[in-house]
Amino acid sequence: DVKVTQSSRYLVKRTGEKVFLECVQDMDHENMFWYRQDPGLGLRLIYFSYDVKMKEKGDIPEGYSVSREKKERFSLILESASTNQTSMYLCASRSTGIRDQPQHFGDGTRLSIL
Amino acid sequence: AQSVTQLGSHVSVSEGALVLLRCNYSSSVPPYLFWYVQYPNQGLQLLLKYTTGATLVKGINGFEAEFKKSETSFHLTKPSAHMSDAAEYFCAVSAKTHYNQGGKLIFGQGTELSVKP
Repeated sequence: DVKVTQSSRYLVKRTGEKVFLECVQDMDHENMFWYRQDPGLGLRLIYFSYDVKMKEKGDIPEGYSVSREKKERFSLILESASTNQTSMYLCASRSTGIRDQPQHFGDGTRLSIL
Repeated sequence: AQSVTQLGSHVSVSEGALVLLRCNYSSSVPPYLFWYVQYPNQGLQLLLKYTTGATLVKGINGFEAEFKKSETSFHLTKPSAHMSDAAEYFCAVSAKTHYNQGGKLIFGQGTELSVKP
């Protein structure tokens, strides 16, 4: 089974801090994704990466950046955390080796910015 | 461009009753369609997917969905609800070509299913 591991389930940070959310997958997947989930809005794509050091903006990239130095690890960075970034963050990965493979999700990080 | 609309943010059924969760999509190109389930404090788990071939798709836990191109719908059903089905359900769409190049999905707003004893 694919395993996508997010480093923290719950995280509390202060306004203005630099925050790192880490995600690791164990299946050598090329594609990795960061979403945020808010009630009534579903999942919205922040950034995705289709290969090491490659990244592309999603629908709501403002206030975020990402890093992918190794294939298995995809980090989401909040450069200067603000209260409107309080949310559930979900990481996903997917193989491009086979057509129509689904995305596999981690358990999420619930981030609170005080 | 693609979009997804899930009708009803909350659906409540009695145990043993039919479950029907509605999903309508918009896509100018042939779509891939997915249903995911999210149990409390967990990530999303794939229930089923439509990519090509048979329009009635069977998934895990007794769920199924039918792709109806003429109605641009992909409703999720289960004949008899169980207490363990209580969760949030997400419908998602992607253009076939885009999905196989990058894998991006567009998600609906989610429907929370409650099951009464």
